[in-house]
Order: sequence, then C-alpha cells, then structure tokens
Amino acid sequence: NAGVTQTPKFQVLKTGQSMTLQCAQDMNHEYMSWYRQDPGMGLRLIHYSVGAGITDQGEVPNGYNVSRSTTEDFPLRLLSAAPSQTSVYFCASSLGQTVTFGSGTRLTVV
Amino acid sequence: AQRVTQPEKLLSVFKGAPVELKCNYSYSGSPELFWYVQYSRQRLQLLLRHISRESIKGFTADLNKGETSFHLKKPFAQEEDSAMYYCALKRPGNQFYFGTGTSLTVIP
Repeated sequence: NAGVTQTPKFQVLKTGQSMTLQCAQDMNHEYMSWYRQDPGMGLRLIHYSVGAGITDQGEVPNGYNVSRSTTEDFPLRLLSAAPSQTSVYFCASSLGQTVTFGSGTRLTVV
Repeated sequence: AQRVTQPEKLLSVFKGAPVELKCNYSYSGSPELFWYVQYSRQRLQLLLRHISRESIKGFTADLNKGETSFHLKKPFAQEEDSAMYYCALKRPGNQFYFGTGTSLTVIP
C-alpha cells in the first residue's frame, strides 16, 4: 500500500493563478480531509469528505474547492491563488481511530 | 466549540531531563484524544491515543477529564525526540481538530 499520496511536493504560483493539489489513497478509507499548516497556527481543516460524492467545509474553506468523485481521490483546487494561501498542505484519510497523512505540498504564492 | 490548546509553541529541554508537553481541550462530549508527531521533513504520524493507554517511544499521556488535559510526558528526553508535536481531538464522523503544535528541542 502506498498510503496517502500527494502531488506535487512543491509549487510556486503567481497571484491569481489556479491549480489543483492532488491526493490519492489506496486504503479504501471513506473519510478524507485537507489541512493547511502554518507557523503558530497549527493544522487547520480546510475541507473534508465522509465518502464519495459528499464534501463539507472545515475551519478555513474560503478560496478552496474540493470534489470527491471516487473513494480514492480528493483533489483540492485553488481557483485564484493569493499570497495568504502560501502554506504547507496536507491531505489525510482516516478510518476509525487514526489519521494517515500525506507527505505534504509546499505552496508559495508570489 | 471544540478547542485544543497547546500553550507552548517552543520547548527546549536537556537530554536526559523530563519533558512535558501540555494539551488542554474543550469538548462537550466524551473526548477522544491523540498525540501526533512530525519529525523534520517527514509527514505527521500517530504517536499515541488515549484509549490505548500505551507508551510509545517512552512517551505517555493521561486523559484528565477534571482538568480537561491530555499532557504528553517522557521521563528522560532523547535527542531523537526533537520534533513538532500536535495534540488532536477527534469528533464523531472522523473530524480531527489539532492544536497549534509544540516544537520540542532536546539539547545534547
């Protein structure tokens, strides 16, 4: 099992550009989520999904969209990147008691 | 509202000294609490969970409902314990709320 796979690992965007952060898991987990990690702010939940076809907002959803067409994939879209979205993004999936994290995407918006 | 508070952003201890990373929570239901650790340039990983009452890498954490705390402790810190530690609260439906994290540095 690969676990949770995120791509890309690094990305630099210009303000106003759009992009999609990819996340895939091969553990057949129903629950998937996206977090952003910022110094002094910890991990904040952006969006989550409890299963294919179902998504919901977390703590900081503005500026981000998600979809869940399959159990395996949970992409995060930035429609118009802003410098405030410079962060490290983690995708995670969970079943039961624990969360499995991806290796993260470091995004810089200039 | 659900909250997880880690009051210390940075914590430094000498090798061999005891270490305690504080975590307080607010939750109206029966909490499920966890500690996650992130070593340098690695992904977050589970360290321990309160329902297991286990000791992992010498770390323990006891849930104190009266004080609404779940502090992480280790009697003798090692250099390899240097990492970022996150306390997390699990809500029904598998939502996890994380604290702001404590960066632990163990000084040789």
